[in-house]
Amino acid sequence: IRLTQSPSFLSASVGHRVTITCRASEDIGNSLAWYQQEPGRAPKLLISAASTLQSGVPSRFSGSGSGTEFTLTISSLQPEDFATYHCLQPRAYPFTFGLGTRLEIE
Amino acid sequence: QVTLRESGPTVVKPTQTLTLTCTFSGFSLNPSGVGVGWIRQPPQEALEWLALIYWDDEKRYSPSLQNRLTITKDISKNQVVLTMTNMDPMDTATYYCARRPGYCRRGSCPPFDYWGQGSVVTVSS
Repeated sequence: IRLTQSPSFLSASVGHRVTITCRASEDIGNSLAWYQQEPGRAPKLLISAASTLQSGVPSRFSGSGSGTEFTLTISSLQPEDFATYHCLQPRAYPFTFGLGTRLEIE
Repeated sequence: QVTLRESGPTVVKPTQTLTLTCTFSGFSLNPSGVGVGWIRQPPQEALEWLALIYWDDEKRYSPSLQNRLTITKDISKNQVVLTMTNMDPMDTATYYCARRPGYCRRGSCPPFDYWGQGSVVTVSS
């Protein structure tokens, strides 16, 4: 299953709202996860099952979608949100990741 | 508290075999479907899933690498080991192990939730 993540690069300002999209090449139900990765660090799970926020993750993060189209929204960017974001489908083998979205400060 | 830690060589020569060990704590490989997988990330590139092993020794591999990969477990030591043969400079990457907390249930499939800090491997002569 191929995941097409867009955009690959995003420049935005603190306080702004951003949306990242992940499209699957076939129906994966709600089996889509979002990760945040800071430079030199391991990915951190933000959202599972397309929209389930992990414990401790700020509520400004939200996920939506099902089937083949999914979105990650950050409602009001904070300085610590500037990182790279990845989507993952764990529905079918081989598990696949999107190519990542690098979010930078404008 | 769930933790995972990768260990292994930082440099390997081309054609050599890489052996990485993931030592975990705070959970066990059990019949609820808990698994441990490996994921790698070349410098400035995307994440790539490599392999996964479950409590009952079910193993899954990336089709593009399966002829080079072997994943095994030692439940008594809480360890999962990944070997990759015939290493090439293109295999230079950070290698992560991560926990998958269970099987798919009612159509919802869990992702990797806890990750190790990563093991940087450089392939160079």
